[in-house]
Amino acid sequence: GAGVSQSPSNKVTEKGKDVELRCDPISGHTALYWYRQSLGQGLEFLIYFQGNSAPDKSGLPSDRFSAERTGGSVSTLTIQRTQQEDSAVYLCASEGRGRETQYFGPGTRLLVL
Amino acid sequence: DQQVKQNSPSLSVQEGRISILNCDYTNSMFDYFLWYKKYPAEGPTFLISISSIKDKNEDGRFTVFLNKSAKHLSLHIVPSQPGDSAVYFCAATVSSNTGKLIFGQGTTLQVKP
Repeated sequence: GAGVSQSPSNKVTEKGKDVELRCDPISGHTALYWYRQSLGQGLEFLIYFQGNSAPDKSGLPSDRFSAERTGGSVSTLTIQRTQQEDSAVYLCASEGRGRETQYFGPGTRLLVL
Repeated sequence: DQQVKQNSPSLSVQEGRISILNCDYTNSMFDYFLWYKKYPAEGPTFLISISSIKDKNEDGRFTVFLNKSAKHLSLHIVPSQPGDSAVYFCAATVSSNTGKLIFGQGTTLQVKP
């Protein structure tokens, strides 16, 4: 029974570069969420997937951020032309059909220099 | 606009005593509330939840109280144990919506042996 996994666990990049963050949800979970946690802050919602569609993208901070989900499973969050303010922990969570609770992965720590 | 607030950034309690963590919210549409616990370098783990139709939910050493009129909830841990030392996040959602969670900033609990 694997949990939610994310890769890479840490990413250091230079300002202006693109990054891709990956999330593998719990098998069979139809809902997938991306959040980020900036230093000293709570978790901030980014985007929600139900299957492969994203009915709620309201938390994406700018058009440099995008995400996709394929096969109702793996999701990728892409940040283009990274800025220093993008530095944060990016967390993925998945949820089963019963909408019981969200299970979080360990996160990807992104540092933009 | 911070819809969920945890006004105490930290709390220190002696082992065996009660820990009380507080959370306030502003959005009257929230109808489901959760507490997550987070250790360093790990993702948040679900602890306990409560629906707005209840005012109390208990699970072992953990009890969550909800005061809808005051838009306030609290998490009681009794007796507190050193292993409870972590960051605790309060979260709220509108269950008929996408299920996205709105988090507070977190409270760091330290339980001293």
